[in-house]
Amino acid sequence: NAGVTQTPKFQVLKTGQSMTLQCAQDMNHNSMYWYRQDPGMGLRLIYYSASEGTTDKGEVPNGYNVSRLNKREFSLRLESAAPSQTSVYFCASSVMAGEQYFGPGTRLTVT
Amino acid sequence: AQSVTQLDSQVPVFEEAPVELRCNYSSSVSVYLFWYVQYPNQGLQLLLKYLSGSTLVKGINGFEAEFNKSQTSFHLRKPSVHISDTAEYFCAVSPSSNTGKLIFGQGTTLQVKP
Repeated sequence: NAGVTQTPKFQVLKTGQSMTLQCAQDMNHNSMYWYRQDPGMGLRLIYYSASEGTTDKGEVPNGYNVSRLNKREFSLRLESAAPSQTSVYFCASSVMAGEQYFGPGTRLTVT
Repeated sequence: AQSVTQLDSQVPVFEEAPVELRCNYSSSVSVYLFWYVQYPNQGLQLLLKYLSGSTLVKGINGFEAEFNKSQTSFHLRKPSVHISDTAEYFCAVSPSSNTGKLIFGQGTTLQVKP
């Protein structure tokens, strides 16, 4: 039982490049989330998916897109990376309100 | 809308001393409350949660928190800390009738000194 897994662990991009962050959970959770973590700002919600087939914007969705591929997988795409998107990205999942399980994170640097 | 304020960005404390990490929240609806811990270079782990019932909640690693509705607070306490408790701690709130979205505070870094 791996919980929530994320790939890659680290990534360096140049401004304007695109990439997809992958997330998968094996806990049969309905809801999945993408956050970014920046120093002194806690975690901010980018997008979430309450159930398979649905996605909604969170607090900071600009510059990102998501795909809920199936119940297990929820990917985050940066179409044209910008230095302001340098951050640590966390995926999470939950079966009930509030109690979320987090992946290990992806450290992204955009130069 | 909900918001969470963690009143201290850093809390230095000596090993075996007690500690309190403070969290206040704002909400016009009833909420669930959570504390998460993040060890260096790791994801977040749930420490404890308040959903309903007893206002004193016990979590893992000897931590506990008390929900105070009148003061809209959910402070985290531990009577005796260890070096291994050095980490960042996040308070979070979720409306009790939604999809499970969490609103996080800015985090408090607990630094336990020998």
